[in-house]
Amino acid sequence: RKEVEQDPGPFNVPEGATVAFNCTYSNSASQSFFWYRQDCRKEPKLLMSVYSSGNEDGRFTAQLNRASQYISLLIRDSKLSDSATYLCSRGAGSYQLTFGKGTKLSVIP
Amino acid sequence: EAGVTQFPSHSVIEKGQTVTLRCDPISGHDNLYWYRRVMGKEIKFLLHFVKESKQDESGMPNNRFLAERTGGTYSTLKVQPAELEDSGVYFCASSQGHYNEQFFGPGTRLTVL
Repeated sequence: RKEVEQDPGPFNVPEGATVAFNCTYSNSASQSFFWYRQDCRKEPKLLMSVYSSGNEDGRFTAQLNRASQYISLLIRDSKLSDSATYLCSRGAGSYQLTFGKGTKLSVIP
Repeated sequence: EAGVTQFPSHSVIEKGQTVTLRCDPISGHDNLYWYRRVMGKEIKFLLHFVKESKQDESGMPNNRFLAERTGGTYSTLKVQPAELEDSGVYFCASSQGHYNEQFFGPGTRLTVL
């Protein structure tokens, strides 16, 4: 089992829709989690940090379930500009980040 | 405030040649990380500096890769000699503290022919 697994998608959703991505991890010692978004041929940009049970920032909500070892990202009222690949990552004691392959989102007009 | 910068943005070299990538972290960030994304795979950790010291180099593929961070400022990653499988995008990231968020540079796209 990979350390961080994500559904690769693509998720094609209409503008205004709500979409949710799940990410599972295998290392129970993971202490911190991050969602990054990556546009085509660009660097990952930090979207949200998740240290406890969850975090909310505007239209974006991240939730952490340590018992089931998954985190989720919910995007409400999708915009065209939300189209990107969303990367789930976890940090552990050594401080390196372990990434999933990413989930591709396309928001359609 | 300037973000993480990397140079060059692209590099095309032949197998057996040497390439040196450079990363300038965000000013004041003691932690500097190198990652690599090979086509079709996830981004993978290579190594971590705290100031000028290598904290963790467990992700370095082999001894053809040498990273340095003299003076605890910018870092270089040298690949010598380059092999075909070294092709990919090399990202650098920096953070203030160990648990703080990591901010990524634009990456260097390396192609080995």
